[in-house]
Amino acid sequence: GQQVMQIPQYQHVQEGEDFTTYCNSSTTLSNIQWYKQRPGGHPVFLIQLVKSGEVKKQKRLTFQFGEAKKNSSLHITATQTTDVGTYFCAGFETDSWGKLQFGAGTQVVVTP
Amino acid sequence: NAGVTQTPKFQVLKTGQSMTLQCAQDMNHEYMSWYRQDPGMGLRLIHYSVGAGITDQGEVPNGYNVSRSTTEDFPLRLLSAAPSQTSVYFCASSSVAGPRDTQYFGPGTRLTVL
Repeated sequence: GQQVMQIPQYQHVQEGEDFTTYCNSSTTLSNIQWYKQRPGGHPVFLIQLVKSGEVKKQKRLTFQFGEAKKNSSLHITATQTTDVGTYFCAGFETDSWGKLQFGAGTQVVVTP
Repeated sequence: NAGVTQTPKFQVLKTGQSMTLQCAQDMNHEYMSWYRQDPGMGLRLIHYSVGAGITDQGEVPNGYNVSRSTTEDFPLRLLSAAPSQTSVYFCASSSVAGPRDTQYFGPGTRLTVL
């Protein structure tokens, strides 16, 4: 069955540095979504990628969907303390329409 | 709009007890789902529904029941709670596009089973 994996599980970043978190699927995905969960909060939608090779930007965040639609990345530039939280990717296979599967998440800690 | 609401926020159960976690949304969303979140394991899909009267199993359905009698409500039932069901439970909803659309999450229910 489909497996969605994220690396790293944990990322410690100095304020102002850049970092990237990766999402890999064992099967081709129909789409990929990214969510952010602040400590003690609930996941909040950030973005969705649908097309092969698609790149989208939200201010300091850059999201990319791989050519084979099996992987995705989130790159954050000039990290700020407001970037603290856990970032999840989620996707589903075309044959499993209803089942949105989440990765385990990357927990980001920012040191001032 | 209140969005997605969940009750209770916290709950402690003894092994073998039953309870229902409530979830409601006021966005007229067709697709609703339940996830559990455990440390290091992300969000795992328990059950989902694509509309009133229609439900299906997710990744980890054992020990949980659901029903969808109205568009607004999607309760999750634990028939006989076990310590392995200690977790944070999130309900989510989205439009008829389901997993192709933004998932709106409720604030969660933190459940402890002793």
